[in-house]
Amino acid sequence: DAGITQSPRHKVTETGTPVTLRCHQTENHRYMYWYRQDPGHGLRLIHYSYGVKDTDKGEVSDGYSVSRSKTEDFLLTLESATSSQTSVYFCAISSLGPYEKLFFGSGTQLSVL
Amino acid sequence: QQQVKQSPQSLIVQKGGISIINCAYENTAFDYFPWYQQFPGKGPALLIAIRPDVSEKKEGRFTISFNKSAKQFSLHIMDSQPGDSATYFCAASTQGGSEKLVFGKGMKLTVNP
Repeated sequence: DAGITQSPRHKVTETGTPVTLRCHQTENHRYMYWYRQDPGHGLRLIHYSYGVKDTDKGEVSDGYSVSRSKTEDFLLTLESATSSQTSVYFCAISSLGPYEKLFFGSGTQLSVL
Repeated sequence: QQQVKQSPQSLIVQKGGISIINCAYENTAFDYFPWYQQFPGKGPALLIAIRPDVSEKKEGRFTISFNKSAKQFSLHIMDSQPGDSATYFCAASTQGGSEKLVFGKGMKLTVNP
């Protein structure tokens, strides 16, 4: 998957606990993104990054924060997990320009009980 | 409001047939229209993309048709094969990222042998 590793691949957690998902790339791409995929909603952007320490919110950013301290790592944190955050989370990277030719990771299935 | 509307939600075709997926968009600022293909358990992968300066783009059995005045674009899969069975997402954004990439809700294609 174009040098993108998401971890963990699966996680079950309880409501109210913090959760951090990691995206690691070996492509040295500038742009990184976090999307969530839910039935009937397609893919929705949570946060994105234009470079190290340069991040911004997407359309469904409430309850999520991100950090990018190195080019290769983009972390997504659910500050206090809720059942509505049960979803499949995808990390993506691109180099040509923002939102052009995205390469997606294999996803993290998160269940919040 | 949904910025990119995709139809149908699902489609079943016979091997060798033509699969057609339609998308309509609202924002006239959009100038980049990609299609992504997703197999079960995998992340989406870019299939083909078009910009409004052309009305059609073909790559192998896959063709995008674009109608700027109607604000519609479609994906045609010629000689559909069982290996094409996947979920297809249309999307739209602007070059430079002034408008973030937004996805349709997806269409599940099943090609019967």
